[in-house]
Amino acid sequence: QVQLVESGGGVVQPGRSLRLSCAASGFTFSSYGMNWVRQAPGKGLEWVAVISYDGSNKDYADSVKGRFTISRDNSKDTVYLQMNSLRGEDTAVYYCARGDRGSYFWPFDYWGQGTLVTVSS
Amino acid sequence: EIVLTQSPGTLSLSPGERATLSCRASQSVSSNYLAWYQQKPGQAPRLLIYAASKRATGIPDRFSGSGSGTDFTLTISRLEPEDFAVYYCQQYGSSRTFGQGTKVDIK
Repeated sequence: QVQLVESGGGVVQPGRSLRLSCAASGFTFSSYGMNWVRQAPGKGLEWVAVISYDGSNKDYADSVKGRFTISRDNSKDTVYLQMNSLRGEDTAVYYCARGDRGSYFWPFDYWGQGTLVTVSS
Repeated sequence: EIVLTQSPGTLSLSPGERATLSCRASQSVSSNYLAWYQQKPGQAPRLLIYAASKRATGIPDRFSGSGSGTDFTLTISRLEPEDFAVYYCQQYGSSRTFGQGTKVDIK
């Protein structure tokens, strides 16, 4: 069965960095685009970043562009989110979600359980 | 960036009633790449509908999606107790964006 397990969340001071990981299993990871989505406490969903199946294409929400970097290691079936220059408004549960099938646009059909990032001094 | 606006913000209904949720896009959604998700407290979202009207695997047929271009609708024909939740629309054809959500609560 498809599983996505996020890790790496925690409490971090403003301006510092954090790297999230999402380990995938139960499907051919290298065939799917992967996404990060976040949800601030009591708020709605915000898409953060996407990476194509082969890592050649990436896209980011304007709110994180230039600060966050998405990457993947298909040999480890893992996608990452490097978050730099963190701000209080980055406090959220971060979900990874499976998306595009190869070069075909696809919705987010599987999600992890999320990892909480708290940016606070 | 395509902005999605959902209405109403909250829908108060009783079990057995019909729910109609709206999602309007600021510009046409290419190839109807529009999805709907359900989220319950403390849980990750679940995909219900994709390509505007196709039910995801395992989704009951009381959930249906319709629309094209800039106007989309999610209909729940008869609300079951487990359907009270927050619903989000999402477009995935031009980058990706979510609507702000509609909460369906018990009247």
